[in-house]
Amino acid sequence: QVQLQESGPGLVIPSETLSLTCTVSGGSISGSYWSWIRQPAGKGLEWLGRIFGTTGTANYNPSLKSRVTMSIDMSKNQFSLKVTSVTAADTAVYYCAKNAPSGWYLDYWGQGTLVTVSS
Amino acid sequence: DIQMTQSPSTLSASVGDRVTITCRASQSIYTWLAWYQQKPGRAPKVLIYETSTLKTGVPSRFSGSGSGTEFALTISSLQPDDFATYYCQQYNSYLTFGQGTKLEIK
Repeated sequence: QVQLQESGPGLVIPSETLSLTCTVSGGSISGSYWSWIRQPAGKGLEWLGRIFGTTGTANYNPSLKSRVTMSIDMSKNQFSLKVTSVTAADTAVYYCAKNAPSGWYLDYWGQGTLVTVSS
Repeated sequence: DIQMTQSPSTLSASVGDRVTITCRASQSIYTWLAWYQQKPGRAPKVLIYETSTLKTGVPSRFSGSGSGTEFALTISSLQPDDFATYYCQQYNSYLTFGQGTKLEIK
């Protein structure tokens, strides 16, 4: 059973960079796609992008493309998210998730981590 | 971008009721649609993928239908555990979620 765990600072200063890591256990990140999703309090889900665990090739949501970067660390079985130039609008619960092999829906999710953007 | 529109935004129902939530895509997504259930403070959980395939372990009272741009999630007989927020999600072109439907107790 694949398990995912997000980690990173819970508070980020406006205009700075948000950085989160997702640690995967119970399976290798290689050979699968992995996504980041966020959810502002009381609102819906927004997909940020996905990364392929073998090559590190990433695809990003066009609405955030210029500010989002994803990367992988195969030695640690982790993948990461960076969002630059954050504002209060980036305050949300951030989830990492695994894309299913038989389609691109999300079949395993982390528990989520709250990131607040505030000075 | 493919936009997903769910209706209703909120649905009040009673245990034992049959309920249907609809989801419309801004362009054809064929059958590349999933449904998720989310409870407060928890991550979403996939219920159905490829429009109508139940994820292993999901009760058979859940069913999905549709194709192209019109889709539906039906719960045949509501149970207390089903009161939650439901999201549709297309994966024909990247991933886009609907805005959610909160299913609440009448």
